[in-house]
Amino acid sequence: EDQVTQSPEALRLQEGESSSLNCSYTVSGLRGLFWYRQDPGKGPEFLFTLYSAGEEKEKERLKATLTKKESFLHITAPKPEDSATYLCAVQASDYKLSFGAGTTVTVRA
Amino acid sequence: EAQVTQNPRYLITVTGKKLTVTCSQNMNHEYMSWYRQDPGLGLRQIYYSMNVEVTDKGDVPEGYKVSRKEKRNFPLILESPSPNQTSLYFCASSPGTTNNEQFFGPGTRLTVL
Repeated sequence: EDQVTQSPEALRLQEGESSSLNCSYTVSGLRGLFWYRQDPGKGPEFLFTLYSAGEEKEKERLKATLTKKESFLHITAPKPEDSATYLCAVQASDYKLSFGAGTTVTVRA
Repeated sequence: EAQVTQNPRYLITVTGKKLTVTCSQNMNHEYMSWYRQDPGLGLRQIYYSMNVEVTDKGDVPEGYKVSRKEKRNFPLILESPSPNQTSLYFCASSPGTTNNEQFFGPGTRLTVL
């Protein structure tokens, strides 16, 4: 059974304090790994897709990386507007999508 | 504006009273899907559709029905809601026929008493 585990569950950061979120997975034939951002009271918003180990994607202060067993979402010099829940999802070879429970990031000014 | 809309946004109902949650997208997307989100469990797929008149079960389809008569609409039907269907529901769509890079609606918070 495909599994996605995100850690930590919650992360409190000071503005400017860089950190990383982890998404570890077991999946039958990884087709793609997705990162989404979810603000309170809203639906998830797509951030990145990673397809193969070694791949990296960047967007503003966010950088996602992928290995064969996990993905990291690095937040560099975060700002309060980066506060959100970050969701990871893996797509198996049969296109089945499994989401992690998310990491809630709070950035204090 | 490209978007996925859901109605209603909030709904409180009683056990056994049939209800429909509507979902519409204006991006001409092929793929549409319904998820429920519960604390600690992440998003779980209920049903999905790769095209008009083509629907299939996700991970947690029991107690739900869907239809895809038009490309833009994908309603979720609860024929006889039960308290364990109290949850936050999201509709999503994506271009192509897979669940890559989905656009999500704003969510519907359903409470079944």
